[in-house]
Amino acid sequence: GIQVEQSPPDLILQEGANSTLRCNFSDSVNNLQWFHQNPWGQLINLFYIPSGTKQNGRLSATTVATERYSLLYISSSQTTDSGVYFCAVEPRDSNYQLIWGAGTKLIIKP
Amino acid sequence: GAGVSQSPSNKVTEKGKDVELRCDPISGHTALYWYRQSLGQGLEFLIYFQGNSAPDKSGLPSDRFSAERTGGSVSTLTIQRTQQEDSAVYLCASTPLAGGRQFFGPGTRLTVL
Repeated sequence: GIQVEQSPPDLILQEGANSTLRCNFSDSVNNLQWFHQNPWGQLINLFYIPSGTKQNGRLSATTVATERYSLLYISSSQTTDSGVYFCAVEPRDSNYQLIWGAGTKLIIKP
Repeated sequence: GAGVSQSPSNKVTEKGKDVELRCDPISGHTALYWYRQSLGQGLEFLIYFQGNSAPDKSGLPSDRFSAERTGGSVSTLTIQRTQQEDSAVYLCASTPLAGGRQFFGPGTRLTVL
């Protein structure tokens, strides 16, 4: 089955720094979603981005489907950005299931 | 409602007991998913409901796990004869249509003693 790999696994930054999180996937997908899980466990859907670029405030995401990767950019990091960022993809041959990456744990220090 | 809700938020039970976990999806969302997340791990798919179609149960780890969705809305995940390895956070998500953007509830933290 499809493999989803996220990098880096852990990232520690000072407040105000910028960061780029990467998601690689091994086969064609119908869609790709980015999620943020805050320290209290709540999962928030950040982007639904099968291809192209989207922006939402300080966050933006780009998916290059032909090259099988997606990037999540966080600019001017704030402590509230801390948590785990997950990438999840729906394979072309799936029954609307998402295959999840292992996540990138981000810690923003004040 | 405004978002996906789940109850209870926490459940502590003894090994061997049955538990029921509830999920109320966003009104009008046709698809509903159950996931399990063990401490420090990613999400494990359990089951998927889409409208009146037969559910996709391919992720259920054993026959002790079952789920139903009544009236195309509320869903209940039942775990019979709970084991300690069932301890995890159980998350529910809904989408407005199959394959759409998933919105998650706050989860139920299950602890089996």
